[in-house]
Amino acid sequence: GAGVSQSPSNKVTEKGKDVELRCDPISGHTALYWYRQSLGQGLEFLIYFQGNSAPDKSGLPSDRFSAERTGGSVSTLTIQRTQQEDSAVYLCASSLLGLAGGQETQYFGPGTRLLVL
Amino acid sequence: AQSVTQPDIHITVSEGASLELRCNYSYGATPYLFWYVQSPGQGLQLLLKYFSGDTLVQGIKGFEAEFKRSQSSFNLRKPSVHWSDAAEYFCAVGAGRGGADGLTFGKGTHLIIQP
Repeated sequence: GAGVSQSPSNKVTEKGKDVELRCDPISGHTALYWYRQSLGQGLEFLIYFQGNSAPDKSGLPSDRFSAERTGGSVSTLTIQRTQQEDSAVYLCASSLLGLAGGQETQYFGPGTRLLVL
Repeated sequence: AQSVTQPDIHITVSEGASLELRCNYSYGATPYLFWYVQSPGQGLQLLLKYFSGDTLVQGIKGFEAEFKRSQSSFNLRKPSVHWSDAAEYFCAVGAGRGGADGLTFGKGTHLIIQP
């Protein structure tokens, strides 16, 4: 597509429920990134995919968070048993090759605003 | 690990005045440096980036930034701001360990434009 798209744009859920956030990267981009933006922590890097593989999952905040990418395209970030501290904007970005050291421009989507009540 | 500091949480500038947003980074080698802008309700848009070479880089919307290794700084400048420049500005560093990593962002500077 023309840009990175994310859905839903807004999500309100109750504490303890599971949520799935979706990211559709720019067509042809092999690298995909998830970030979280919150008032207290600013912008945090969560996880990166090169193709369908995520070499390092240590940036995920807890084991309630998981992510997958299928077909080298769409990615899903899943948060199980949501907590109020999970409330944030979740941003997805993609880049063409995913070169080392963040050499490439990352193109960001508009984000999913998650509110956990 | 790398880190980025943006010392100014808020900056207020009159329309037409010049602007400088500060950014300091911490990293052992020459990093890859970026400035992004985020308008209300919008995603992050890249303004400019520095990888190597000329330390003064030009970006979109009339912005420029200068890499100063001795000061570990990458300050963003614009000679004359417009009301549409009001937004949140983020400095970021990319410094992977041999594989692609995500960017490390500063906390951001909120730019307010006075008429």
